[in-house]
Amino acid sequence: DIQMTQSPSSLSASVGDRVAITCQASQDIKNDLNWYQQKPGKAPKLLIYDTSNLETGVPARFSGSGSGTHFTFFIRSLQPEDIATYYCQQYYDLPRTFGQGTKVEI
Amino acid sequence: VELVESGGGLVQPGRSLRLSCTGSGFIFGDYAMSWIRQAPGKGLEWVGYIRSKTYGGTTQYAASVKGRFTISRDDSKNIAYLQLNTLKTEDTGVYYCTRALGVLRFWGQGTLVTVSS
Repeated sequence: DIQMTQSPSSLSASVGDRVAITCQASQDIKNDLNWYQQKPGKAPKLLIYDTSNLETGVPARFSGSGSGTHFTFFIRSLQPEDIATYYCQQYYDLPRTFGQGTKVEI
Repeated sequence: VELVESGGGLVQPGRSLRLSCTGSGFIFGDYAMSWIRQAPGKGLEWVGYIRSKTYGGTTQYAASVKGRFTISRDDSKNIAYLQLNTLKTEDTGVYYCTRALGVLRFWGQGTLVTVSS
């Protein structure tokens, strides 16, 4: 199985800060990586697909980069509504696997 | 696009449960459907998927559920099913259905399965 190592597991930042979350794959997954946001009691929401493509309707302060085994998710200017847990997910191979999640707090 | 799960509840270890996922707002039969679960306070875990009939309706499962869980579909009713057999306490969690195989763009609200004696 492809292991997805996400870090940090949690972070605290201020409104307006730039936030970065990394995801390391245990093998080359090309660009087959997505990022999701999950708020308490809600289903995950797709933010970034194929490493760097912004999902329709998602604010442009969210972005992603990387390829191969190393990926990074950014929030350019943290907003109060961005408080959530963020997950990376690979779909290069089966089983699909997720990172452990990063809880973002203010 | 809307996905609505149902069928969750409290069940004893070793028993069975069938979850349903009803889709609307799209041509259900054209899409693969996936199931993802989340144990209380934990992360997301892929359970499995079923391809569309165009691609043979084939299924794939996570090792943790293979042989116990079965995914099926009834395109005439726009429903995907997740049959959970021989349930274990560690199967407790919220079960989500999603459309497609890789990029999980649409999710249901989830249904809670609690396995406890």
